[in-house]
Amino acid sequence: GEDVEQSLFLSVREGDSSVINCTYTDSSSTYLYWYKQEPGAGLQLLTYIFSNMDMKQDQRLTVLLNKKDKHLSLRIADTQTGDSAIYFCAVDSGGYNKLIFGAGTRLAVHP
Amino acid sequence: NAGVMQNPRHLVRRRGQEARLRCSPMKGHSHVYWYRQLPEEGLKFMVYLQKENIIDESGMPKERFSAEFPKEGPSILRIQQVVRGDSAAYFCASSPTGPSENTEAFFGQGTRLTVV
Repeated sequence: GEDVEQSLFLSVREGDSSVINCTYTDSSSTYLYWYKQEPGAGLQLLTYIFSNMDMKQDQRLTVLLNKKDKHLSLRIADTQTGDSAIYFCAVDSGGYNKLIFGAGTRLAVHP
Repeated sequence: NAGVMQNPRHLVRRRGQEARLRCSPMKGHSHVYWYRQLPEEGLKFMVYLQKENIIDESGMPKERFSAEFPKEGPSILRIQQVVRGDSAAYFCASSPTGPSENTEAFFGQGTRLTVV
């Protein structure tokens, strides 16, 4: 079945850029998503990219998609302490909002 | 417009009891999805429902779990005879449209079930 892999931890200094990586197996996924989860909270959709795009920028967020390698990344510029959270990569499967999630990358931002 | 409302936020059940988790989708949304998040893991799809219909239950355990989304009222995820392994966060999401149309699915804050 579909599989989505992420590294589990990332630690960055405040003000630096963060890059969170994700690989997936299903080449038929149409939309690829990044969600943010703060402790004890639900999921917040940060951004998504359509599979025929290779880059999308939204303020401090840049999503890069390498469809050939099935690799997705999320870059957060000027990382702040408020960005500390778990970031989930997700891809759609089945033509509707049946999302396959990675295990999440825990981002820690230190002074 | 209130977001997706889930209740209770926290639920403690003894082994063998029943757990009922409720999800009220956003106003105007007729598509509901349930996901389960085990500790330290990502979310796993369980079931997709439209009003009065189960569309895809491929992620639901075969026994003890059931879901409904009646014509009136919230969607219910029901877990009978709970076991310790059912302890998890259960998230509901809703969207206004479904297959072949990509729209954002909005997630609730989840119900954290603890089985003791």
